[in-house]
Amino acid sequence: EAGVAQSPRYKIIEKRQSVAFWCNPISGHATLYWYQQILGQGPKLLIQFQNNGVVDDSQLPKDRFSAERLKGVDSTLKIQPAKLEDSAVYLCASSSMRQEKLFFGSGTQLSVL
Amino acid sequence: KQEVTQIPAALSVPEGENLVLNCSFTDSAIYNLQWFRQDPGKGLTSLLLIQSSQREQTSGRLNASLDKSSGRSTLYIAASQPGDSATYLCAVVGGTSYGKLTFGQGTILTVHP
Repeated sequence: EAGVAQSPRYKIIEKRQSVAFWCNPISGHATLYWYQQILGQGPKLLIQFQNNGVVDDSQLPKDRFSAERLKGVDSTLKIQPAKLEDSAVYLCASSSMRQEKLFFGSGTQLSVL
Repeated sequence: KQEVTQIPAALSVPEGENLVLNCSFTDSAIYNLQWFRQDPGKGLTSLLLIQSSQREQTSGRLNASLDKSSGRSTLYIAASQPGDSATYLCAVVGGTSYGKLTFGQGTILTVHP
């Protein structure tokens, strides 16, 4: 069974630039999550999708972050414009049902200079 | 607001030791609790999931217990090996948060030969 795929693996940008991350969940998984993990901290949920609808985006900085999940499969997370404090690993996860076992991708490490 | 704390922040042990990692959470109204492993530069791997109605789960050398009333969970690793070296993260799903995991900051485990 293929796992959760994320790209790119690494990204370095300057502040005020824009960046986008892509995630392909495990086939058939209806729930998709984006997490932000700052060095030395646990992951923090940014947004949760159920199929292509948003379930929770309460911690997403909506003035600069946006996410979409077209056709209930792939998802993209965008930051525009980026700030220094956005430097983190962005993790995508999926699950077959809400509140059940999550499968994580390897993440995208973002450095904002 | 749910808060999850893990103690200790870091642990270094010789190979062969049995060890215990601790996790505490402030709101006992949880749906489940999960333990994850994170290797450097990689995503998270789910180790054990304990439903709120359960008291423990076992997988190989790992045993996780849950005491919901006191807001505590422990992860017991028997006969530790150098390959167990990683960061271990505890996360809880709130009873009404529909799949939103709140993570602790993790315990960095080093098992030396």
